[in-house]
Amino acid sequence: AQTVTQSQPEMSVQEAETVTLSCTYDTSENNYYLFWYKQPPSRQMILVIRQEAYKQQNATENRFSVNFQKAAKSFSLKISDSQLGDTAMYFCAFMRYSGAGSYQLTFGKGTKLSVIP
Amino acid sequence: DTGVSQDPRHKITKRGQNVTFRCDPISEHNRLYWYRQTLGQGPEFLTYFQNEAQLEKSRLLSDRFSAERPKGSFSTLEIQRTEQGDSAMYLCASSLDRLAGPYEQYFGPGTRLTVT
Repeated sequence: AQTVTQSQPEMSVQEAETVTLSCTYDTSENNYYLFWYKQPPSRQMILVIRQEAYKQQNATENRFSVNFQKAAKSFSLKISDSQLGDTAMYFCAFMRYSGAGSYQLTFGKGTKLSVIP
Repeated sequence: DTGVSQDPRHKITKRGQNVTFRCDPISEHNRLYWYRQTLGQGPEFLTYFQNEAQLEKSRLLSDRFSAERPKGSFSTLEIQRTEQGDSAMYLCASSLDRLAGPYEQYFGPGTRLTVT
């Protein structure tokens, strides 16, 4: 079974600064996908960024980028120029292809990020 | 594209009662997932549909839980004889098969269940 560990339950960052959220995972699979999802207070979960395990290049989406270290099974999220709207729970998630055809997600426990004005 | 919708958004019920939740996925999405999220935890996979077929169920899905997706459109999740441990946020997500894989799941706002 896959496990996803987010070792930082809470973090804070000053507006306009940069913050990095950590995530490690454990799997015996070679082909998989990794995601960061954002869940703002009382709002639905939205996809921030995704990374295919076969790609060596780190994914970037505007102010969001990842540092994917496949050998170390590490997948951190860097948020640059933090904005108040970035305040949310951030979940790291792993996806593998199961035998039944399900692309189910396995989530970490989340990191609560607060952006301070 | 109106996104994934779920109804009701909140449900309070007494222990032992039955409850049913509905999920309407994004219209062309053939895959539909149910997850459960308890306080302070990430979502946990419950079950998955491809079109109308329920293809996978988690061990978390006890016999009191049943899910359907008639005609491959909306889905319902029913919990019979609710217990206090069923109190959680129930999330629905959908995705579409693409050449590169059906990997991007879009989540609904969830149904928060409180069992008293």
